[in-house]
Amino acid sequence: DTEVTQTPKHLVMGMTNKKSLKCEQHMGHRAMYWYKQKAKKPPELMFVYSYEKLSINESVPSRFSPECPNSSLLNLHLHALQPEDSALYLCASSQDAQGGTDTQYFGPGTRLTVL
Amino acid sequence: GQSLEQPSEVTAVEGAIVQINCTYQTSGFYGLSWYQQHDGGAPTFLSYNALDGLEETGRFSSFLSRSDSYGYLLLQELQMKDSASYFCAAGTGFQKLVFGTGTRLLVSP
Repeated sequence: DTEVTQTPKHLVMGMTNKKSLKCEQHMGHRAMYWYKQKAKKPPELMFVYSYEKLSINESVPSRFSPECPNSSLLNLHLHALQPEDSALYLCASSQDAQGGTDTQYFGPGTRLTVL
Repeated sequence: GQSLEQPSEVTAVEGAIVQINCTYQTSGFYGLSWYQQHDGGAPTFLSYNALDGLEETGRFSSFLSRSDSYGYLLLQELQMKDSASYFCAAGTGFQKLVFGTGTRLLVSP
């Protein structure tokens, strides 16, 4: 099973709302990632968790708060977002996260619209 | 900084061969991956080069020259379903993957 699942598929929220994105993998991978992708642009790394610990935060604003409850789950909590945060949010996982060379498996993404 | 440059768009006909180039400038380099992304879909892994040379996976091949900071993806026997965006991605350090600018491939009948 090489599947990464993400919920919800679509999310519309106001600037004062609080919402969460969820990601799950059952491949036994120990690294999980959040990316943001704007239309016609490449994915941009936001956060990396390795063995359930946050290892990389690419200077992401605090209105995005990641959480890794266990080795299979990754959440992204959203609060007080701005319209420019509207994008496709992709979750990915990889086996043992060494040197950035592990193949990353991506979920289908959550398309977020902030009104 | 980190940059991976690709042509923005490539067009070809079914059955043809197309090459998508990627030139990179990164601080730290562990290898070059290629991902395919259909509109509205997730990036899917195609190929990876850690060492110089050619890697072949079915209709897709990928090449890397570390001395030239250059790689390419070669797609043979093009099919309509190959119409998608293609990204090169460099492993630049521990757990870090930096994606190229992306190339939109349009395959026509």
